[in-house]
Amino acid sequence: NAGVMQNPRHLVRRRGQEARLRCSPMKGHSHVYWYRQLPEEGLKFMVYLQKENIIDESGMPKERFSAEFPKEGPSILRIQQVVRGDSAAYFCASSAIGETEAFFGQGTRLTVV
Amino acid sequence: KQEVTQIPAALSVPEGENLVLNCSFTDSAIYNLQWFRQDPGKGLTSLLLIQSSQREQTSGRLNASLDKSSGRSTLYIAASQPGDSATYLCAIKKKGGSEKLVFGKGTKLTVNP
Repeated sequence: NAGVMQNPRHLVRRRGQEARLRCSPMKGHSHVYWYRQLPEEGLKFMVYLQKENIIDESGMPKERFSAEFPKEGPSILRIQQVVRGDSAAYFCASSAIGETEAFFGQGTRLTVV
Repeated sequence: KQEVTQIPAALSVPEGENLVLNCSFTDSAIYNLQWFRQDPGKGLTSLLLIQSSQREQTSGRLNASLDKSSGRSTLYIAASQPGDSATYLCAIKKKGGSEKLVFGKGTKLTVNP
């Protein structure tokens, strides 16, 4: 079991470009969560997805951010027209339903220049 | 709204000392509580998971307790080592709905040789 895989590990984008972050959950996990960690702050929940469904996007900024978890392939967090304030570490976690442990990927560190 | 607080924010101890990290939460409707370790620039490593029906979990030199009625958890580290230096994060998995993790801001631990 390869664990939760995120790529790329580091991503540099110029202001106004698009950033695509990918997450492959652990085998057997159907729940994916995205979290953002701003410098000197804790992890904040962004969105919770199951296959082909967004369950909770209450932590997503209203504009420029979107997420998907298609039937086939990894979950994608997409940030359009990036700004400097989007610079952060983005973590993906996966779990099975209910009282189960969440496992995290190594994160993608986005730097907007 | 579930809030998670970790005290202290930072802790520096000499090698060999036993120490306790504290976590408190406001809503007792949880599936579980997880303690994570995060090294600088790295992802999260799960240390211990305590289900809501459990009182404590142990792994090696680590022991975590959970008192759901008072909204508290502690992480006890015995015989601390310089390699234990990291930020320790506490997270609650909420019941119902999104099952997202709510994180504290962490305790930054430094163990001095």
